[in-house]
Amino acid sequence: EAGVVQSPRYKIIEKKQPVAFWCNPISGHNTLYWYLQNLGQGPELLIRYENEEAVDDSQLPKDRFSAERLKGVDSTLKIQPAELGDSAVYLCASSLLEGTQYFGPGTRLTVL
Amino acid sequence: AQSVSQHNHHVILSEAASLELGCNYSYGGTVNLFWYVQYPGQHLQLLLKYFSGDPLVKGIKGFEAEFIKSKFSFNLRKPSVQWSDTAEYFCAVNSRGAAGNKLTFGGGTRVLVKP
Repeated sequence: EAGVVQSPRYKIIEKKQPVAFWCNPISGHNTLYWYLQNLGQGPELLIRYENEEAVDDSQLPKDRFSAERLKGVDSTLKIQPAELGDSAVYLCASSLLEGTQYFGPGTRLTVL
Repeated sequence: AQSVSQHNHHVILSEAASLELGCNYSYGGTVNLFWYVQYPGQHLQLLLKYFSGDPLVKGIKGFEAEFIKSKFSFNLRKPSVQWSDTAEYFCAVNSRGAAGNKLTFGGGTRVLVKP
């Protein structure tokens, strides 16, 4: 069974530029999560989807971050404009209902 | 709000030594508990989990963890480590029923096993 797929794996951009990350969850998993992981810290939830509905986006900085999961499968996380402090690893995870979460490899973002 | 605390940020030990990583959480309700591992250059992988039943949980690669409800703890153990156990270990808690399936992670413990 294929795991959670994320792309790109690495991204380097200059500040004020936009950037987008893509995630394809495990087949059949209706719940999808985006996490932010800063260096030396554990992941922190940004947003959780159940199917195409964002059911918890309380930790998403909505002034510059946006996310979508239009057909309830793939998801995109966008930052516009990026700031230096956004440099981190962005993780996607998926689960079946409220079961165990499985993580993708992450996208390492560097903002110069 | 729930929080998770991992006592050690870095642990260095030799092969065959025993490992114990501490994890404490703060939440008064019913919880699910997890240990995830991240090997160098790889993604987070589930090591073991506790939902209910026997508080001593056995996971992959010889790891086990014990849930002690009265101490709000879920410590990870391995009797004899190998060089390949070098990784970062994260404890995570999911408060059942509240706010959905929201995992709260500890800060992680980097473990270096010297050959």
